[in-house]
Amino acid sequence: ETGVTQTPRHLVMGMTNKKSLKCEQHLGHNAMYWYKQSAKKPLELMFVYSLEERVENNSVPSRFSPECPNSSHLFLHLHTLQPEDSALYLCASSQGGFPYEQYFGPGTRLTVT
Amino acid sequence: GENVEQHPSTLSVQEGDSAVIKCTYSDSASNYFPWYKQELGKRPQLIIDIRSNVGEKKDQRIAVTLNKTAKHFSLHITETQPEDSAVYFCAASTSGTYKYIFGTGTRLKVLA
Repeated sequence: ETGVTQTPRHLVMGMTNKKSLKCEQHLGHNAMYWYKQSAKKPLELMFVYSLEERVENNSVPSRFSPECPNSSHLFLHLHTLQPEDSALYLCASSQGGFPYEQYFGPGTRLTVT
Repeated sequence: GENVEQHPSTLSVQEGDSAVIKCTYSDSASNYFPWYKQELGKRPQLIIDIRSNVGEKKDQRIAVTLNKTAKHFSLHITETQPEDSAVYFCAASTSGTYKYIFGTGTRLKVLA
């Protein structure tokens, strides 16, 4: 698949589990983003990486831990989540610098039980 | 903090009619305004964007207008078709930052 891919597409986890979400972009972009999408709320920006360096961290609880090993891959490590963390987690990428179009992945539907 | 207000939250139009969705942003430094369409179960995709150095941009049946003084921008869809049914999000961003502030979305239903 080209563009931005995310795995897994669906995830159910208990509050004591540890899991990771993976995002990969095949567009040669140098900025990558994690968003949380909940019903009836705007897309919430969680983290931004530019050239593998974190440039935005929007007061996200420490139970979410991002990792960007290179400009093509982005991870979101999850541990001891709460039921209210259930949502669609979207990854996106863009060219850096001046604002450009963001390309989104298909998302991971996370359910915390 | 910065925010983007989007109205209406839902909009139903008859096929062939026009649809207008409006957004208001708070950060006067914002200079990039994209619109995304998200169909049910799919990823958001850009449909049109505008930068602050222009007041209007058009792409076939879709147009966006920007009023920097009032900090408003709007999406206009003409001759709506059933495949236009989706959730539309506006956003605002600023040069030198990586922040994209999104509106809450408008669910558009085009009735055949």
